[in-house]
Amino acid sequence: QKEVEQNSGPLSVPEGAIASLNCTYSDRGSQSFFWYRQYSGKSPELIMSIYSNGDKEDGRFTAQLNKASQYVSLLIRDSQPSDSATYLCAASFYNQGGKLIFGQGTELSVKP
Amino acid sequence: DAGVTQSPTHLIKTRGQQVTLRCSPISGHKSVSWYQQVLGQGPQFIFQYYEKEERGRGNFPDRFSARQFPNYSSELNVNALLLGDSALYLCASSARITGPSTDTQYFGPGTRLTVL
Repeated sequence: QKEVEQNSGPLSVPEGAIASLNCTYSDRGSQSFFWYRQYSGKSPELIMSIYSNGDKEDGRFTAQLNKASQYVSLLIRDSQPSDSATYLCAASFYNQGGKLIFGQGTELSVKP
Repeated sequence: DAGVTQSPTHLIKTRGQQVTLRCSPISGHKSVSWYQQVLGQGPQFIFQYYEKEERGRGNFPDRFSARQFPNYSSELNVNALLLGDSALYLCASSARITGPSTDTQYFGPGTRLTVL
């Protein structure tokens, strides 16, 4: 079992819709979780970080963390074509020195 | 403020050669991590340095080595290049390596390495 798992997609949503991206992790020692956006040929760009159970909102983005279910999600409201990218979920394992473990990424396509 | 910088942007090498990649962290950040990303996959952890000491090493062969300098910049060296080393090499910096918000890693633009 991979330590961090995401559906690879592609996930296709119409412009203006809500995009829902999901991620599960296997190590209960994980304490920090991150969502990165990566455009083709570019490096990952931080969107959100979340450390506590519950929701965290930043503009059109909401991250949700449920440590009991070992589940992290990212909701993108009012999706725009410019949101089309690969979204990477990452977990920081404090018992492994704080390195990031990434999922394989979910490709999101927002259709005009 | 300047973000994480990496050099060179692109690099083409042949099998068996050696390569050195460079990274400068965000000002004030003391931790640098290196990741390898091959097409279609998420980044894979290679090394982490904090306060000039190696704090973590991923499952990469000994051909991969790194170091961090007193100014917190870092170099990643890869010897005896193989075709499979072709990838995007990412450097990330963080203020610290543990603790909410201080462990957030910010990535540089990456170095695209092609091994022929």
